Amino acid sequence: EDQVTQSPEALRLQEGESSSLNCSYTVSGLRGLFWYRQDPGKGPEFLFTLYSAGEEKEKERLKATLTKKESFLHITAPKPEDSATYLCAVQARRTGGGADGLTFGKGTHLIIQP
Amino acid sequence: EPEVTQTPSHQVTQMGQEVILRCVPISNHLYFYWYRQILGQKVEFLVSFYNNEISEKSEIFDDQFSVERPDGSNFTLKIRSTKLEDSAMYFCASSGPGGNIQYFGAGTRLSVL
Repeated sequence: EDQVTQSPEALRLQEGESSSLNCSYTVSGLRGLFWYRQDPGKGPEFLFTLYSAGEEKEKERLKATLTKKESFLHITAPKPEDSATYLCAVQARRTGGGADGLTFGKGTHLIIQP
Repeated sequence: EPEVTQTPSHQVTQMGQEVILRCVPISNHLYFYWYRQILGQKVEFLVSFYNNEISEKSEIFDDQFSVERPDGSNFTLKIRSTKLEDSAMYFCASSGPGGNIQYFGAGTRLSVL
């Protein structure tokens, strides 16, 4: 069974205070690892996808990295508008095509205080 | 920017009633998905749909649930006889020809009374 564990559950930072969110996973045949952002009452918003260990992706103040067992979402000099829940999800190779469902973690609730 | 559209945004129903949740995926996408998120819990996969048939389904997706693509644009989730525990946010998602990145709609909040 695929499993995704995110830590910490909640994180409160001051504006400009950099930190990292962790996503540990177990999956039988990784097709991809995904990071999403979710604002209250909204659907997950795609941020990054990573496919193989050693891969890194960057977007503005966010950087995602991947190893064989975990992924990190690094946030550099965050601003209050970065406050959200960050979700990690894995997609396993099961159906042979692209229709495999995602297994999500519970997310990290990030609050950036001005 | 293309987006996944879901209607209604909020659906209130009585226990035992049938509900249909509607989704318009991104126009050139080929893979379609339904997920649910019970309040305070994680997002859970329900079903995926490709080439007019179910591709994968989870244990949650039992005989009370069905999906359909009635025309070239809509994708629906039907719950035949709703239960209190079906109360949740239901998200539709779609992905393009590679089937990799899944884009989510804003969700339908289902409240079963």
